[in-house]
Amino acid sequence: DAGVTQSPTHLIKTRGQQVTLRCSPKSGHDTVSWYQQALGQGPQFIFQYYEEEERQRGNFPDRFSGHQFPNYSSELNVNALLLGDSALYLCASSSGLDRVDSGNTIYFGEGSWLTVV
Amino acid sequence: GEDVEQSLFLSVREGDSSVINCTYTDSSSTYLYWYKQEPGAGLQLLTYIFSNMDMKQDQRLTVLLNKKDKHLSLRIADTQTGDSAIYFCADTSGGSYIPTFGRGTSLIVHP
Repeated sequence: DAGVTQSPTHLIKTRGQQVTLRCSPKSGHDTVSWYQQALGQGPQFIFQYYEEEERQRGNFPDRFSGHQFPNYSSELNVNALLLGDSALYLCASSSGLDRVDSGNTIYFGEGSWLTVV
Repeated sequence: GEDVEQSLFLSVREGDSSVINCTYTDSSSTYLYWYKQEPGAGLQLLTYIFSNMDMKQDQRLTVLLNKKDKHLSLRIADTQTGDSAIYFCADTSGGSYIPTFGRGTSLIVHP
């Protein structure tokens, strides 16, 4: 049973460029969330996708956008990259918002390390 | 808004117990989680506790929840060098199921 998989694992971009990160959720999960983890910090919530729609969004600018596909996989896009966007981007999957009895366990991928120069 | 706080560092000797503490401010928290992050890696879910419980044990891990004081702790028995990592506490407020993370506690285990 594959867990949450993310690609690429590492990438370097130049200021002003655009980047797309990809995530495949754990088998059986239909909800995908994206987090940004700067060095020395805890993960910060960017947004969550469920049924191909953005359900909730954290305090991130519109330069951060996403998409969820019918197979539940997801992409995170960041436009007009800034040096401050350098971070580990984590994808997390879960089995849906209403399954309280499941413990709503949330599993993370290994992340994509983005360096903006 | 929600706030989760943890001490930044904890150093223990191999074989001793480690206790990592966390406080949160949102009284409507439903689930509280502990995650482990090894260097250069993603977050590994260690355990979670539902807000109507006050204790959960899973092998070497014991989670204690004091809802009145909004205090969560993770005890690791017989700590090993492989337990060296950053441990994150996270809570979810009612209805959102979006974990809010603390800054993490760096656990250092020395021989």
